[in-house]
Amino acid sequence: NAGVMQNPRHLVRRRGQEARLRCSPMKGHSHVYWYRQLPEEGLKFMVYLQKENIIDESGMPKERFSAEFPKEGPSILRIQQVVRGDSAAYFCASSSEKQGYTNEKLFFGSGTQLSVL
Amino acid sequence: SQKIEQNSEALNIQEGKTATLTCNYTNYSPAYLQWYRQDPGRGPVFLLLIRENEKEKRKERLKVTFDTTLKQSLFHITASQPADSATYLCALGGNAGNNRKLIWGLGTSLAVNP
Repeated sequence: NAGVMQNPRHLVRRRGQEARLRCSPMKGHSHVYWYRQLPEEGLKFMVYLQKENIIDESGMPKERFSAEFPKEGPSILRIQQVVRGDSAAYFCASSSEKQGYTNEKLFFGSGTQLSVL
Repeated sequence: SQKIEQNSEALNIQEGKTATLTCNYTNYSPAYLQWYRQDPGRGPVFLLLIRENEKEKRKERLKVTFDTTLKQSLFHITASQPADSATYLCALGGNAGNNRKLIWGLGTSLAVNP
């Protein structure tokens, strides 16, 4: 039973390019979360999605960042016109649904390390 | 503002001893608290969840306590092993069934020496 799969593991982009980060949740999980982690800041919530819906994007910058979780295929976090400050580890997590509520337990992928030159 | 603090200094202990990690919080009333383990270059791995109405939770060599009066959780690893070396994160959840607004600590690095 595969866990949360993220790719690529490492992504190098030059300033101004686009970065696309992919996440396939655990089988049976319909809730996906994206987090950003910097060594001195800890994990920061970015966006929460269910299939075809963005539920909460309050942690995501309004410009240049977007996320989707289509009916078929992985969730995508897209960063347009990357800047050096976007360099970080981006983690995807998924959870199942329990009795109509989100199961609090999160399963994380191994992350994508984005480096902007 | 809401704040969560974990031991910022790395914890070094001898194999076989009990490791105790601390998570303190202020300006918050969490419905539950979680502990995760994170290894370098990997994502966090869920270990334990304890709810506000629970005082203590155990799982094999792990024990978590939750004191809502002191606003503190303690995480214990008994009979520690070198394989327990990792960074341990605590996270607070404000509402049951809602982990969108989890607040994460920066983590405590644990090194268990053989």
